[in-house]
Amino acid sequence: GENVEQHPSTLSVQEGDSAVIKCTYSDSASNYFPWYKQELGKRPQLIIDIRSNVGEKKDQRIAVTLNKTAKHFSLHITETQPEDSAVYFCAASKGAGSYQLTFGKGTKLSVIP
Amino acid sequence: DTEVTQTPKHLVMGMTNKKSLKCEQHMGHRAMYWYKQKAKKPPELMFVYSYEKLSINESVPSRFSPECPNSSLLNLHLHALQPEDSALYLCASSQVGTGRHEQYFGPGTRLTVT
Repeated sequence: GENVEQHPSTLSVQEGDSAVIKCTYSDSASNYFPWYKQELGKRPQLIIDIRSNVGEKKDQRIAVTLNKTAKHFSLHITETQPEDSAVYFCAASKGAGSYQLTFGKGTKLSVIP
Repeated sequence: DTEVTQTPKHLVMGMTNKKSLKCEQHMGHRAMYWYKQKAKKPPELMFVYSYEKLSINESVPSRFSPECPNSSLLNLHLHALQPEDSALYLCASSQVGTGRHEQYFGPGTRLTVT
């Protein structure tokens, strides 16, 4: 089955700096890669996703890149703010016909004011 | 509207109790999911319903019994749970067959088994 590795497990950055979280996946059939943000005591919130026919996607301060050849994808957060502090999970799925998301173990991001 | 609702928010139950968790969505999604999440861990898939039929059961113990009475509702019936079943139980939903795979999570039910 699919295996998703996520690094780092914890990340501390100064407010205003950039943060990068990286994930690798094992199953070349995976074609959908969402990122979830989970604040303490709250639900996982879908913040951005990318499909395998796209190499990069941006939404304001957040971007995701995908390298299908290397089977890795990354989340980039620019101009970090204290409210970006949360646990971030990457996930992979085979998309249509498959409902299963395989999650990485998560990255706890702390943005220091 | 991308909201999935869950009740109750918190539940404390003894090992001999029977209780139910409820989930509702009105986004027209035809796939609904139950996940279990332990502290500092990612969500762990338990069950998937597609068009109100159980399509995935991730070898979950029979003390957890899912039910999907209609396309908007999903229940999880609990009976004879163990303390290690204490966790956050998350419901999620997504479209089916449209190429849109986004799963949206509810706020969860924090379950404590005593």
